[in-house]
Amino acid sequence: EVQLLESGGGLVQPGGSLRLSCAASGFTFSSYAMSWVRQAPGKGLEWVSAISGSGGSTYYADSVKGRFTISRDNSKNTLYLQMNSLRAEDTAVYYCAKGLLPVDTAMVTFDYYYYMDVWGKGTTVTVSS
Amino acid sequence: DIQMTQSPSSVSASVGDRVTITCRASQGISSWLAWYQQKPGKAPKLLIYAASSLQSGVPSRFSGSGSGTDFTLTISSLQPEDFATYYCQQANSFSFGQGTKVEIK
Repeated sequence: EVQLLESGGGLVQPGGSLRLSCAASGFTFSSYAMSWVRQAPGKGLEWVSAISGSGGSTYYADSVKGRFTISRDNSKNTLYLQMNSLRAEDTAVYYCAKGLLPVDTAMVTFDYYYYMDVWGKGTTVTVSS
Repeated sequence: DIQMTQSPSSVSASVGDRVTITCRASQGISSWLAWYQQKPGKAPKLLIYAASSLQSGVPSRFSGSGSGTDFTLTISSLQPEDFATYYCQQANSFSFGQGTKVEIK
C-alpha cells in the first residue's frame, strides 16, 4: 500500500526555521515527483513546492521562494521541506503528495508527473510568538 | 503567474442533482488541469487529471471537460458522499483555484 507520513510540524516563532519530512512507502520513491501543498486554517489549498524524481528540478510558489527549500533523499525514501524565515502567514497544515506517473513514462507530457494522486495526512505548522 | 478562478464559490444542491463547477485560467494551459475533492479534516483526493481523465477508483458520475482556459467538473447525480469542497489545479505552474463548496440544499 502506498503511504506518505509527514512529520516535523510544530510551533515556531516568527523568523524561525523548521524542517518537515515525508516518509514514503509502498512505491519506488525515486521514480516519482513529489510535492508539498499547504492549507491555512479555514482557507483553500495552496501549492508550495515540487521536485522531480531525481531531485534535479525544483519548483516553488512565489510566496515561499528564497525561504523554503525542497529536497529528497531517495536512499531513505524521504521528502523534505526546509522552511526558514517563517512568517505568521506560513501557519497551515502541510501535506506531501506523490506524482501520478513515474518520471520515465513514455508518451506523456510534463503535467502527468505532477498530478497528485496520493496524499499524506498532513502536519501542522504554527508560526506565532 | 497563472491565476485560476473557480465559480461558483459555493453551491447548494440536493441528492440526485446535476452539479457543474467551472474553472478559468488566466492564460491557456492546454489540458493541464486536475480536479480534487476535499472533505473536512481530510487530505484532498484526485478526481480528474489532464482535464478529462478519470482517476482510478473514482465513480463515473464525475467527469471533466475543457481545454485552453475554460474547464468544467460535472457531477451527474449528486450522492450524499459528494458533499465536499472541490478545487481545480493547473499543472503549468501548479496554482489552485479558490475552491467550490458543495453543500446540502
